[in-house]
Amino acid sequence: DIQMTQSPSTLSASVGDRVTITCRASQSISDWLAWFQQKPGKAPKLLIYKASTLESGVPSRFSGSGSGTEFTLTISCLQPDDFATYFCQQYSRYFFTFGPGTKVDIK
Amino acid sequence: EVQLVESGGDLVQPGRSLRLSCTASGFTFSRFWMNWVRQAPGKGLEWVANIKHDGSETHYLDSVKGRFTISRDNAKNSLYLQMNSLRAEDTAVYYCAREGRGVPDYWGQGTLVTVSS
Repeated sequence: DIQMTQSPSTLSASVGDRVTITCRASQSISDWLAWFQQKPGKAPKLLIYKASTLESGVPSRFSGSGSGTEFTLTISCLQPDDFATYFCQQYSRYFFTFGPGTKVDIK
Repeated sequence: EVQLVESGGDLVQPGRSLRLSCTASGFTFSRFWMNWVRQAPGKGLEWVANIKHDGSETHYLDSVKGRFTISRDNAKNSLYLQMNSLRAEDTAVYYCAREGRGVPDYWGQGTLVTVSS
């Protein structure tokens, strides 16, 4: 099975900061990688798929990169609405595996 | 507007059964793979099962194989998860999610399943 890891597990940042989250896969998944944002009590929201394709309606301050086993999610200028937990997810096979999540909180 | 509405979550004793439902609207349900994903309290996301658009193919998380069954009724725009032999570790919010472009692109609001005596 493909395992996903994320770092850091928690990230403290301020409004306006540039934030980068890393996701690693235990084996190559090409670019079959998605990123989700989740707020407390809410369903996850798709931000990026195919490693770097921005979902419609998602602000351009979000970007994704990477291929193979290492991927990053970058928020170029953190906004108050961005404080949330972020999950990566691989979909290289017929099933999904999620990373453990990165919580972005207020410094 | 795509909408997914789950129902059926409840408090149930270990070893008992429960059936979750998800009603879809705002898209052509019969054209999409569908998924169940769960999230234990305070934990991360865990994919549970998926089903092909016509119901001819299903896949399961190893820990639920033989206990859970995913199914769908395209005439009713509905997805189901039959959960048997429930365990405490099955306690979670269960989300129904559409699979578009290979990823779960739309999610329901979730339904809580609590397995406890």
